[in-house]
Amino acid sequence: DGGITQSPKYLFRKEGQNVTLSCEQNLNHDAMYWYRQDPGQGLRLIYYSQIVNDFQKGDIAEGYSVSREKKESFPLTVTSAQKNPTAFYLCASNNNGAASVFFGPGTRLTVL
Amino acid sequence: GEDVEQSLFLSVREGDSSVINCTYTDSSSTYLYWYKQEPGAGLQLLTYIFSNMDMKQDQRLTVLLNKKDKHLSLRIADTQTGDSAIYFCAESPDSWGKLQFGAGTQVVVTP
Repeated sequence: DGGITQSPKYLFRKEGQNVTLSCEQNLNHDAMYWYRQDPGQGLRLIYYSQIVNDFQKGDIAEGYSVSREKKESFPLTVTSAQKNPTAFYLCASNNNGAASVFFGPGTRLTVL
Repeated sequence: GEDVEQSLFLSVREGDSSVINCTYTDSSSTYLYWYKQEPGAGLQLLTYIFSNMDMKQDQRLTVLLNKKDKHLSLRIADTQTGDSAIYFCAESPDSWGKLQFGAGTQVVVTP
C-alpha cells in the first residue's frame, strides 16, 4: 500500500525538550517537505529536500532541523528554540517535475 | 511576497452546487491547487491546473482560472454531506512542492 506515513499521530512534549517527528514515504518520490498548520491558517513551509543529503529552509525554519539520509525518510526535529511549537505538522512529497504533491496524515504536537 | 486569499466560510444545501473562490497575487504562479481537509486529517489533493489553462473538469469538480484577474474557483456539482470539509487553495511557481496556501474555506453542507 503506497503512501506517506507520519508517526506518532499525537505527541506531547514538555517545554525545553527537543522532539522528532517521523515521515516515511514508499512512493519513491524524490522531494519531501514539512509544513506547519495553525488553527484557522493555511500551511506554511518549514523545510524541504529535493534530493538525498540535501535540504533547504522554507519560510519558517527557525527552531527546526531536518535530515535526509535516505530517500524514503525525512524526519523533523522541533527544538527547544522554537518559540511556539504547538501545531499540526504535515509531511508531503512529490516527484521531480511532477505537479502532484501528496500529504501525509499529520502529527499533532502539543507542548505542555 | 506571495499572498493567497479565500473566503472563510460557505454554507450550501445538499444537491446544490458549491463554488469556492480564491485570489492570488504572485504573477509567476504556474500551478494552482485545490486540497480538501477533513477534521484531524491530512490534505487530500483534489485537483490542480496549469496557468496556461482556463478550465479543468474532473467528475463533479470544475476548476476555473482567470489569470488576468488572478482568480481561481472550484465548483462542486451535486454537493453531498461528505463534501463538508475545509478546502485550501494553493499556488506554486514550479513543480516543486513549495506551495503558498490560503487560510482555507470551511464548507458546510446542510440537508
